[in-house]
Amino acid sequence: KAGVTQTPRYLIKTRGQQVTLSCSPISGHRSVSWYQQTPGQGLQFLFEYFSETQRNKGNFPGRFSGRQFSNSRSEMNVSTLELGDSALYLCASSLVGGRETQYFGPGTRLLVL
Amino acid sequence: DQQVKQNSPSLSVQEGRISILNCDYTNSMFDYFLWYKKYPAEGPTFLISISSIKDKNEDGRFTVFLNKSAKHLSLHIVPSQPGDSAVYFCAAGDTGTASKLTFGTGTRLQVTL
Repeated sequence: KAGVTQTPRYLIKTRGQQVTLSCSPISGHRSVSWYQQTPGQGLQFLFEYFSETQRNKGNFPGRFSGRQFSNSRSEMNVSTLELGDSALYLCASSLVGGRETQYFGPGTRLLVL
Repeated sequence: DQQVKQNSPSLSVQEGRISILNCDYTNSMFDYFLWYKKYPAEGPTFLISISSIKDKNEDGRFTVFLNKSAKHLSLHIVPSQPGDSAVYFCAAGDTGTASKLTFGTGTRLQVTL
């Protein structure tokens, strides 16, 4: 079974631009969560989607948004990029979420100049 | 406010010896805990988990211990192998917002020959 895939793997943007990242979960998984990893901060939860609905949300500004499609694929969007948004963005999938094990993709590394 | 803390950023252990990685948490609502391992350029990989109703869980060379009164958990790896060299993250969740995991900042384990 294929794992979680994320595209693109690397991205360079400039301040003020917007960016869209994509995540394809493991086949059959309906819950997708997004995390931001920065040096010294560990992984911080952004949001979780299940059946095309946002079910949980972390403490990030409204510039960070996401959506999920009927095939469970998910996208996250960051508008008006800031230098501090440079990070590794990871998505994780599980069958239905909750306390189930989350399986992570390799991440998208975003650099904002 | 770091609700999950891994106070040792790095640890070096000889091959064959025991590796002990520690994690402290502050949120009493957390009722399940996980350990993930991360290699460079890959997403975190699930290792082992424990529910708050248990104080120990074993899986092969990996054992997680939970001390609820001290709000402390630890991961023991016995015997340590060079392939265990990676960054280890502890994570915590509560059933109320189950898919939202709170991660520590990670401990880099180096297993030397």
